[in-house]
Amino acid sequence: LAKTTQPISMDSYEGQEVNITCSHNNIATNDYITWYQQFPSQGPRFIIQGYKTKVTNEVASLFIPADRKSSTLSLPRVSLSDTAVYYCLVGELTGGGNKLTFGTGTQLKVEL
Amino acid sequence: DTGVSQDPRHKITKRGQNVTFRCDPISEHNRLYWYRQTLGQGPEFLTYFQNEAQLEKSRLLSDRFSAERPKGSFSTLEIQRTEQGDSAMYLCASSYLAGDYDEQYFGPGTRLTVT
Repeated sequence: LAKTTQPISMDSYEGQEVNITCSHNNIATNDYITWYQQFPSQGPRFIIQGYKTKVTNEVASLFIPADRKSSTLSLPRVSLSDTAVYYCLVGELTGGGNKLTFGTGTQLKVEL
Repeated sequence: DTGVSQDPRHKITKRGQNVTFRCDPISEHNRLYWYRQTLGQGPEFLTYFQNEAQLEKSRLLSDRFSAERPKGSFSTLEIQRTEQGDSAMYLCASSYLAGDYDEQYFGPGTRLTVT
């Protein structure tokens, strides 16, 4: 079971780029990396998912080095509304829930 | 937009009572997950269904917890003989696994308080 380690918290200012790194040293061959965002009193919301190299969508980029032992979520030009908890999730897509583990997440605080 | 819905949103019960929660997933989604989340922690996997089949349960899940997904549509999660330690947010998520992509859509959760 791939265990993930993320910083507990990060602070940033509006307009800056934020990079949150997740360590997953024992990631398995079939594991994917997924990031979710969660606001208070709401369910998590999918941000991005990848297996290797770089993935980009309209809200974020995900950088995965060749050894896949870590990954970095990059949020360009954050705003106050990006203040939330960000979870890195590592697991098989087909293997089911016991292989999907949310860690304690990274609390991102964005200020003016 | 018919996202994932959960009912009730809040439930207060006394210790020892049984409670049942309902989740209505996005209609074309074949996978449905239940999670539990306590304050300051990430969601903890409880169980998941592919269509109507319950394929996996958390090894940590007590026998007091049971879930069903009749006909592969909505799902219910029942907790029997509730304990104070069951107080948490119960989240449901659904997804449609397609090849190498799986995005879970979460509902708003049911907050359970056991007194």
